[in-house]
Amino acid sequence: DAKTTQPNSMESNEEEPVHLPCNHSTISGTDYIHWYRQLPSQGPEYVIHGLTSNVNNRMASLAIAEDRKSSTLILHRATLRDAAVYYCILRDFTSGTYKYIFGTGTRLKVLA
Amino acid sequence: DAGVIQSPRHEVTEMGQEVTLRCKPISGHDYLFWYRQTMMRGLELLIYFNNNVPIDDSGMPEDRFSAKMPNASFSTLKIQPSEPRDSAVYFCASSQVRGPGNTIYFGEGSWLTVV
Repeated sequence: DAKTTQPNSMESNEEEPVHLPCNHSTISGTDYIHWYRQLPSQGPEYVIHGLTSNVNNRMASLAIAEDRKSSTLILHRATLRDAAVYYCILRDFTSGTYKYIFGTGTRLKVLA
Repeated sequence: DAGVIQSPRHEVTEMGQEVTLRCKPISGHDYLFWYRQTMMRGLELLIYFNNNVPIDDSGMPEDRFSAKMPNASFSTLKIQPSEPRDSAVYFCASSQVRGPGNTIYFGEGSWLTVV
């Protein structure tokens, strides 16, 4: 699987938007971009995924660069409950392998 | 839906003892994954199964670790003999291959301490 690079940590104020970046310069044309997050003392949970177009769901938005070499997870209004480690993962659906390899992620701290 | 169910949630055991961790995947899911998480190494994939068959066990650290999936609703991860360096959180996860979304669902983890 192609690698991703994320900042180790970020801080945000409560009620403000948060932009979490992910670089994936070696992404292939069939790689989907997935985001998961891990709340304290819990297993990771799905946030959002996309291929080329920007995506929105009830949890977040995903903005994908035109060249797909980077993406940004957007939390529109951070709450204290959004404090977690956020993982950006590339998944090649066509490869026939279904391993999810997690990197070190970005630890988001939300300040009250 | 009950989600992925793991047991025990917490276990403290003495070095040299056998440890068995259990997992019940989400009904209908055909992929099952075992992960280990530590502060030093992060979240590591140990092994995964498809339709109860082990597909890739390259992440299993050594022969002391073994995993089985006797049927679609049950899997075990066994450590024998256990060592203090095995102390970690062990997550089980399952997935149903339907499309690119291919969401993976994690259990709450089994927190293992080997003293």
